[in-house]
Amino acid sequence: SYVLTQPPSVSVAPGQTARITCGGNNIGSKSVHWYQQKPGQAPVLVVYDDSDRPSGIPERFSGSNSGNTATLTISRVEAGDEADYYCQVWDSSSDQVVFGGGTKLTVL
Amino acid sequence: QVTLKESGPVLVKPTETLTLTCTVSGFSLSNARMGVSWIRQPPGKALEWLAHIFSNDEKSYSTSLKSRLTISKDTSKSQVVLTMTNMDPVDTATYYCARILLYWSAFYFDYWGQGTLVTVSS
Repeated sequence: SYVLTQPPSVSVAPGQTARITCGGNNIGSKSVHWYQQKPGQAPVLVVYDDSDRPSGIPERFSGSNSGNTATLTISRVEAGDEADYYCQVWDSSSDQVVFGGGTKLTVL
Repeated sequence: QVTLKESGPVLVKPTETLTLTCTVSGFSLSNARMGVSWIRQPPGKALEWLAHIFSNDEKSYSTSLKSRLTISKDTSKSQVVLTMTNMDPVDTATYYCARILLYWSAFYFDYWGQGTLVTVSS
């Protein structure tokens, strides 16, 4: 089965740039989507199709995907960005939706 | 305005069958570009996809849970129902339904329900 690997935690100071990675075998050939989840809330889509943003999501959120790693980049990090972030793909070969294990972003 | 709302029991006993209903509004379950998925999250743990269903009634299930899951929809009622048999305490989780938006040969979850916490305990 297809596996997505995320670092358990990332810490960054306010105003700096946070990069959250999502590793998977040849993930660059798949479309990667990212969700933000704050405590006690449902996930929210922040990036879809590797690098597109839904309406209402700040331009500070961006994504990239190549080779074996997809990356969610959050520029000019704010305290309100502190949350868990999950990457997600659809593995067409097995017809399975796969989520990464999640990364807790801490704003110092 | 797109909304999804989960409903069902908050407490089930081990070995019982769980039935959850997702009632949607703001879109139709007959829309060819859309579907609905069930996703769960045990307390303090990661998201886990369970199943989804599309407008043409195509269904997919998590390989690890396939034998216990059934997903169905009633388009006229705007509802998607998930049943999970033989519940166990490890199935204690918040269960979410989410709208699927199809594009090209991929899809993502653009709207989520608030989730419903289901506890499995005798």
